[in-house]
Amino acid sequence: AQSVTQLGSHVSVSEGALVLLRCNYSSSVPPYLFWYVQYPNQGLQLLLKYTTGATLVKGINGFEAEFKKSETSFHLTKPSAHMSDAAEYFCAVSDLQFYFGTGTSLTVIP
Amino acid sequence: DAGVTQSPTHLIKTRGQHVTLRCSPISGHKSVSWYQQVLGQGPQFIFQYYEKEERGRGNFPDRFSARQFPNYSSELNVNALLLGDSALYLCASSAGLADLGTGELFFGEGSRLTVL
Repeated sequence: AQSVTQLGSHVSVSEGALVLLRCNYSSSVPPYLFWYVQYPNQGLQLLLKYTTGATLVKGINGFEAEFKKSETSFHLTKPSAHMSDAAEYFCAVSDLQFYFGTGTSLTVIP
Repeated sequence: DAGVTQSPTHLIKTRGQHVTLRCSPISGHKSVSWYQQVLGQGPQFIFQYYEKEERGRGNFPDRFSARQFPNYSSELNVNALLLGDSALYLCASSAGLADLGTGELFFGEGSRLTVL
């Protein structure tokens, strides 16, 4: 069975600081991994995805994530946080259906 | 281009009632999935349809049912509503079978159901 664990339900960073959101997965087969963002009262929007190939994946809005098989991790990073990054972030793994983590709420402090 | 559209956006029901939620996928997309997102949690998979056939079902009771129409739109039906059914119901579309699992899901803004 597939599953993801997001460490830290709430993360606060100062504007301009590094953003690090953690995700570990459990998968019986090579995983397809995703990060989605959800702004208040909106649906989810894809930030980036890893399917095959390069393990460092770049997404929209300056976010990137690195697939580390040995650590079963897919952490999301952004070098410099912006106020507009405040949102809920979900890590997901798929095997035809998607399994989402419980989410991490990112607060950006001015 | 229109994205995934869902209706209604908000609704209030009482326990025991029935609800129907509707979803129109992005033009050209043949797959629709339904997710339940309880406040403070991640989306939980309910159903997946492709070419009008059910391709997957999550761990939800038989009170939940869905169907996909020839135009690829979809309905989610929930009978005998319980307080615990209060949630945001998200519909997502994807282009085709090959995208299921590897491709991007395009989400609508959801239907927020409150059961009193």
